[in-house]
Amino acid sequence: QSVLTQPPSVSGAPGQRVTISCTGSTSNIGAGYDVDWYQQIPGTAPKVLIYSNSDRPSGVPDRFSGSKSGTSASLAITGLQAEDEADYYCQSYDSTLSGWVFGGGTKVTVL
Amino acid sequence: QVQLVQSGAEVKKPGASVKVSCKASGYTFTGYYIHWVRQAPGQGLEWMGRINPKSGGANYAQKFQGRVTMTRDTSISTAYMEVSSLRSDDTAVYYCATPTGDFPTWGQGTLVTVSS
Repeated sequence: QSVLTQPPSVSGAPGQRVTISCTGSTSNIGAGYDVDWYQQIPGTAPKVLIYSNSDRPSGVPDRFSGSKSGTSASLAITGLQAEDEADYYCQSYDSTLSGWVFGGGTKVTVL
Repeated sequence: QVQLVQSGAEVKKPGASVKVSCKASGYTFTGYYIHWVRQAPGQGLEWMGRINPKSGGANYAQKFQGRVTMTRDTSISTAYMEVSSLRSDDTAVYYCATPTGDFPTWGQGTLVTVSS
């Protein structure tokens, strides 16, 4: 049972827009802690896609965007491409647990 | 650039211990926490705990209290994570990560296989 809640899977056709939600609580996202999003291709380490809720590291396409409101955050992928098929995780900090917390992960499938 | 390089894959028997290392470079080692995260096969990311390299103090996720020990050697900018009394469900890839700069840098991961 992950502290942050994500849908197990989302799918979309090439070119479409998909969103992944990440729901937390008042001790993590709702307390003002930033949310990072990771993309993970099976067999590789997680790669930062979005940090500080909505910023992109250099090299990450602007098709990826993040937002945060209240106790939730979301990742949007516009212009979905085959290469976007991967697992996506949200991550924040929790003041009660005094550590990082993750979502359970969302598998994105390009139809 | 900031880099974390982890030790190689391990195969252990149930009941044994394993110690994974994480060598840091490209930044001031004592300035940032080192976190440990694991991922069992086909599962999600699970935070295990963190160590303050400056003080050596660590805090652990409740699930790992008493079975996981995080240490560091500042002379060689290396953090360690030891798991004792290994079980088959400890089979996982173990990652170290450090939140320097704008976002965390992760190590490449260390596969630990527990099998009799």
